[in-house]
Amino acid sequence: NAGVTQTPKFRVLKTGQSMTLLCAQDMNHEYMYWYRQDPGMGLRLIHYSVGEGTTAKGEVPDGYNVSRLKKQNFLLGLESAAPSQTSVYFCASSKTAAGENTEAFFGQGTRLTVV
Amino acid sequence: EDQVTQSPEALRLQEGESSSLNCSYTVSGLRGLFWYRQDPGKGPEFLFTLYSAGEEKEKERLKATLTKKESFLHITAPKPEDSATYLCAVQAYDSNYQLIWGAGTKLIIKP
Repeated sequence: NAGVTQTPKFRVLKTGQSMTLLCAQDMNHEYMYWYRQDPGMGLRLIHYSVGEGTTAKGEVPDGYNVSRLKKQNFLLGLESAAPSQTSVYFCASSKTAAGENTEAFFGQGTRLTVV
Repeated sequence: EDQVTQSPEALRLQEGESSSLNCSYTVSGLRGLFWYRQDPGKGPEFLFTLYSAGEEKEKERLKATLTKKESFLHITAPKPEDSATYLCAVQAYDSNYQLIWGAGTKLIIKP
């Protein structure tokens, strides 16, 4: 059982370049999330989705776009990378968003460096 | 403003030395408090959810408790494999189901 899979695991971008991070889950979860994790800070929500075809902004959405064309996939795009977007990105999914079964399952992360 | 503060930032213990990690929170109305464990280079792994003051949950050497202002993660007789960063997150009723995360406590258990 793969759970949540992120690709790629590592990436170095030049300032101004664009890229897409792919997240795939095989648990049939409705909810999917993209977070970034920076040293000394808590995880911060970038965008999330409450089901296929839906997306919503989180706490730090600027400079990112997302799409959820298929239930199992959630893509995070960087339109024009900036050094401030150097971070570790985590994708997560959950069955529900409140009450029981709200625990999130995380991917292994993508370490992105923008130079 | 909703806020989560974890302390200490780092904790070094000898194997078998019990201790507690703290998660203090300020939210308008708590829907749930979550504990996760994160190993280096990996994503967080779910441990517990607590919903109301007085609630306790246990898993092996870990026990999580909740009051109206904070949660504790008690570690009894820890082993080196318990070394990890422990993350706390809260969900408020007015948050659109989003979580507010603490920065974590890095726990090191020396053999």
